Amino acid sequence: AQSVAQPEDQVNVAEGNPLTVKCTYSVSGNPYLFWYVQYPNRGLQFLLKYITGDNLVKGSYGFEAEFNKSQTSFHLKKPSALVSDSALYFCAVRDITKYGGSQGNLIFGKGTKLSVKP
Amino acid sequence: DTEVTQTPKHLVMGMTNKKSLKCEQHMGHRAMYWYKQKAKKPPELMFVYSYEKLSINESVPSRFSPECPNSSLLNLHLHALQPEDSALYLCASSHVPGGQQETQYFGPGTRLLVL
Repeated sequence: AQSVAQPEDQVNVAEGNPLTVKCTYSVSGNPYLFWYVQYPNRGLQFLLKYITGDNLVKGSYGFEAEFNKSQTSFHLKKPSALVSDSALYFCAVRDITKYGGSQGNLIFGKGTKLSVKP
Repeated sequence: DTEVTQTPKHLVMGMTNKKSLKCEQHMGHRAMYWYKQKAKKPPELMFVYSYEKLSINESVPSRFSPECPNSSLLNLHLHALQPEDSALYLCASSHVPGGQQETQYFGPGTRLLVL
């Protein structure tokens, strides 16, 4: 079955320091991976996705993610964290098994709360 | 423009009430989704519409009734809900149904409280 795991419930970073939010995946076939951010009492905002090609994917708000096939990871990174980056981050994978890949619904990780302190 | 709108933002209803949640997008997307999200949990898929037809129902209780009147609108009709149905209800859309590379764009959600 397709799945993603976010091993950290919370990540704490000082403003200006680099941040990493971890995600590992388990898929059959090619992985289609996504990162979303959710601010308090808001919907999910799309940050970036990996489909194929370059292992380093650049996204919105200065975020990037590194796809590592050998480690089955897709970690989210940012060189310099901002207080305003504090939010809940979800990694997701396209489910291509349950409905034969015809519908493309997403399976989300449990989420990682990022806290950036001034 | 990647905007999905949802109304109302907040809804409080009794267990005997009938209410509806609305979702709208004008991006020409032909797949639309309803998700349910409990506090501090990931979203869980409820329904998928492809080309205005219901294509996935994730074994959702019949007290939730989706409707897709046209390619831009998605409704979720609520009747006889239980307190455990209180959650954030998220609508999403994507360009091509079945497109594995397609990005789903989410609305801000409707926060529902069932008393």
